[in-house]
Amino acid sequence: DADVTQTPRNRITKTGKRIMLECSQTKGHDRMYWYRQDPGLGLRLIYYSFDVKDINKGEISDGYSVSRQAQAKFSLSLESAIPNQTALYFCATSEADSSSYNEQFFGPGTRLTVL
Amino acid sequence: AQSVTQLGSHVSVSEGALVLLRCNYSSSVPPYLFWYVQYPNQGLQLLLKYTSAATLVKGINGFEAEFKKSETSFHLTKPSAHMRDAAEYFCAVSSGGSYIPTFGRGTSLIVHP
Repeated sequence: DADVTQTPRNRITKTGKRIMLECSQTKGHDRMYWYRQDPGLGLRLIYYSFDVKDINKGEISDGYSVSRQAQAKFSLSLESAIPNQTALYFCATSEADSSSYNEQFFGPGTRLTVL
Repeated sequence: AQSVTQLGSHVSVSEGALVLLRCNYSSSVPPYLFWYVQYPNQGLQLLLKYTSAATLVKGINGFEAEFKKSETSFHLTKPSAHMRDAAEYFCAVSSGGSYIPTFGRGTSLIVHP
């Protein structure tokens, strides 16, 4: 089945460590997104990419970076993790076709804990 | 600019009772509106969407929502709650050139036997 996958699903790390979260999709979508979910705050957009050469900052990009290695792969990095980056992270995709209205297709999430 | 407000972080109903989850939006241009559901330990999935066609939108699992421009609302309803409806529900709005969505803070639906 066409899908959005994320690795790892769970990660515990220490303050100051570099962490990479990976996202792959087989949906053939051009657009990819990274969100973080915190209790009571909903989903907030970190970065998004409309194609391989297009990377854009979202609402809360400070402390994060991304890499779009291919149409199907979009990675999120925390260069030096800090405890307030403990959250649930979601990758999502959408079609570029305007008739899709940018409906989002989500991966299962990565639960990151920074000690 | 666009924003979404979901009234009530938690809604508790009895099985078989009406479900009403409230969403109000703000947008300077005609919006597209979405409801997503997140079951425990899963990602979000689309319940339904409003895209300027019919104002009453039917979705999966018996849910529906009505777009009311005069009230800037897009409330989600279901006539009879099931235990399996217990989940987190997110309202989202997208508008403007890139249509990047903005999500509400979510409402946790609790269903009692």
